[in-house]
Amino acid sequence: GAVVSQHPSRVICKSGTSVKIECRSLDFQATTMFWYRQFPKQSLMLMATSNEGSKATYEQGVEKDKFLINHASLTLSTLTVTSAHPEDSSFYICSARREGYTFGSGTRLTVV
Amino acid sequence: AQSVTQLGSHVSVSEGALVLLRCNYSSSVPPYLFWYVQYPNQGLQLLLKYTTGATLVKGINGFEAEFKKSETSFHLTKPSAHMSDAAEYFCAVSDRGGGSNYKLTFGKGTLLTVNP
Repeated sequence: GAVVSQHPSRVICKSGTSVKIECRSLDFQATTMFWYRQFPKQSLMLMATSNEGSKATYEQGVEKDKFLINHASLTLSTLTVTSAHPEDSSFYICSARREGYTFGSGTRLTVV
Repeated sequence: AQSVTQLGSHVSVSEGALVLLRCNYSSSVPPYLFWYVQYPNQGLQLLLKYTTGATLVKGINGFEAEFKKSETSFHLTKPSAHMSDAAEYFCAVSDRGGGSNYKLTFGKGTLLTVNP
């Protein structure tokens, strides 16, 4: 079946530094990739939608300069949290879509 | 805009009892419908989905859901709960017409606890 690999699973970084999260579809080419943010005991909030080779579409209220999304190929999308602050601490999940949706295992980001 | 309502943020059942998790959607055109399960600190796993055809959909782990257009509902059921079913469950919808790249809209989730 379709598998999406998301790395790292956990990361702790200092305030002011940048963190990159990778999302890779292992056995299929994804037409679209989605990035979500999830706060404790809450639902998934869509941050942005990206298609290979084009700029990501960000949801209202999401800072595009802070959350940089690169979708360089049909199998790889990256989310970079720039100049991270403690309020950016959260669980980030990617999803790749071809005929269905396959989710990565998530990244727990803690900014100290 | 589509919306999804999951009634009950927390459902508690005894092992072996019926599981019923409720989901209603708001859309002028019936969307694609999904149920996902999430275990702590993990991503989402698809339980089942409805796109077209038979309105009673069977999924993994003994779960099933029925699409009822007249009630705009897609409730998830399982006849007999198992301890391993304890997790967070999300109902989601996506646009049939491909709008917004078929992005998923999630409900707020229902935490299922199973008591021995």
